[in-house]
Amino acid sequence: KAGVTQTPRYLIKTRGQQVTLSCSPISGHRSVSWYQQTPGQGLQFLFEYFSETQRNKGNFPGRFSGRQFSNSRSEMNVSTLELGDSALYLCASSRGPIGEQFFGPGTRLTVL
Amino acid sequence: SQELEQSPQSLIVQEGKNLTINCTSSKTLYGLYWYKQKYGEGLIFLMMLQKGGEEKSHEKITAKLDEKKQQSSLHITASQPSHAGIYLCGADDAGGTSYGKLTFGQGTILTVHP
Repeated sequence: KAGVTQTPRYLIKTRGQQVTLSCSPISGHRSVSWYQQTPGQGLQFLFEYFSETQRNKGNFPGRFSGRQFSNSRSEMNVSTLELGDSALYLCASSRGPIGEQFFGPGTRLTVL
Repeated sequence: SQELEQSPQSLIVQEGKNLTINCTSSKTLYGLYWYKQKYGEGLIFLMMLQKGGEEKSHEKITAKLDEKKQQSSLHITASQPSHAGIYLCGADDAGGTSYGKLTFGQGTILTVHP
C-alpha cells in the first residue's frame, strides 16, 4: 500500500509570493491534517480536512488555507509569503477523526 | 491548552545500552502517539496508546501510558545505530472532537554511537 505522498519535496520562493503544496493520502484514508515544523516552534497543527470539509483549524493567520478534493487529495496554500513561513510542511492521513496518523515525507519551503 | 514536555531533550548512548524517553502532559490524554523522525524527513509512526496502564512493544521498543493517562515512556532495549533520530510524542487531548489535531512535544534527539 502506497504511503502518503507530498509534492513538491523542496520549494524556494521569495517574500510576497504564494505557494501551493499537495498531499495525497493513503488509499482509503479520508482525513488529511497539515502541520508546520520549525526549529523554534516545533510541530504545529495547521488544519484538518475530512470529506472536503475543514473540521479543525490551528492558530495560523488567514494567509494559510487549504482544501480537499473528492478523492481525498489535499492542497494547502500560503499567500503573501513571509520569511517566517520557511519550514517543513507535513501532511498526515488517517481513516477517521481519531487514530493513527501517517505522515508524508514533507515539503521543505524556503522563503528568501 | 495542551502541553507536552519531553525529557531528556537529547540523549547520547553507546550501542547496546538501554534508554528511556519520557513524555508528560498537562492534561488527561485520550490518545498518546509515538513517532520517530530522521532530520528533515517525515514522521514514522511507532505506537499508539489509549488506555491507562497500556503497554505496547514493537521489536526492541516498548511504550507505556501511566494509569492516570498523563505520562508516557518509551523504552529502547539494546539500542542500535538504526534507532538514532528524533523521537516525538503526540497527544490527542480531545477524544472524538480532536478532528485530526495532535499536539506534539518538542522531541528528543537520540544519538547511538557504534
